[in-house]
Amino acid sequence: KAGVTQTPRYLIKTRGQQVTLSCSPISGHRSVSWYQQTPGQGLQFLFEYFSETQRNKGNFPGRFSGRQFSNSRSEMNVSTLELGDSALYLCASSLQGATGELFFGEGSRLTVL
Amino acid sequence: GQQVMQIPQYQHVQEGEDFTTYCNSSTTLSNIQWYKQRPGGHPVFLIQLVKSGEVKKQKRLTFQFGEAKKNSSLHITATQTTDVGTYFCAGVNAGNMLTFGGGTRLMVKP
Repeated sequence: KAGVTQTPRYLIKTRGQQVTLSCSPISGHRSVSWYQQTPGQGLQFLFEYFSETQRNKGNFPGRFSGRQFSNSRSEMNVSTLELGDSALYLCASSLQGATGELFFGEGSRLTVL
Repeated sequence: GQQVMQIPQYQHVQEGEDFTTYCNSSTTLSNIQWYKQRPGGHPVFLIQLVKSGEVKKQKRLTFQFGEAKKNSSLHITATQTTDVGTYFCAGVNAGNMLTFGGGTRLMVKP
């Protein structure tokens, strides 16, 4: 069974630009959660999507948004990038939901210059 | 909001020594999970504890959930270089939100 796939793996953007990250969950998993990982803040929950609906949202500004498609693939978008958005963005899929066993992808490492 | 604290932040051990990381929540948890992230890798699920006072073992790893369901620990016996990585606990509160602790980074000297 294929794991969670995230693209792109690495990207460099400049302040003010926007970025879209993609996540394909494990087949059969309808829950997709997004996390931001930075050395200082650890793993911070962004949002969870289940069957195309956002079920939960973390404490991030409105510049961070996401969506889920009917095939459970998910995208997250960050608009008007700031230097502080540089981080590893991890996607996790789950059979039970965002509070069950999470299967993480390799992550998308975003650098904002 | 819910806070999950982990100590220590870092731990250097000599190969063969034991290691313990502790996780404390500000609120009662319905369950707690543990994950391991190797350097340059992504978090990988290790285990979930649900019952008060629960103890589970995986080879050299022993996981405990406190009686009050507000704290947990992970103990590794006789560490090996393959144990290197960051260990995260993640607690689920009554509001069904999962919150990760800050992690404990384990370094093992051969």
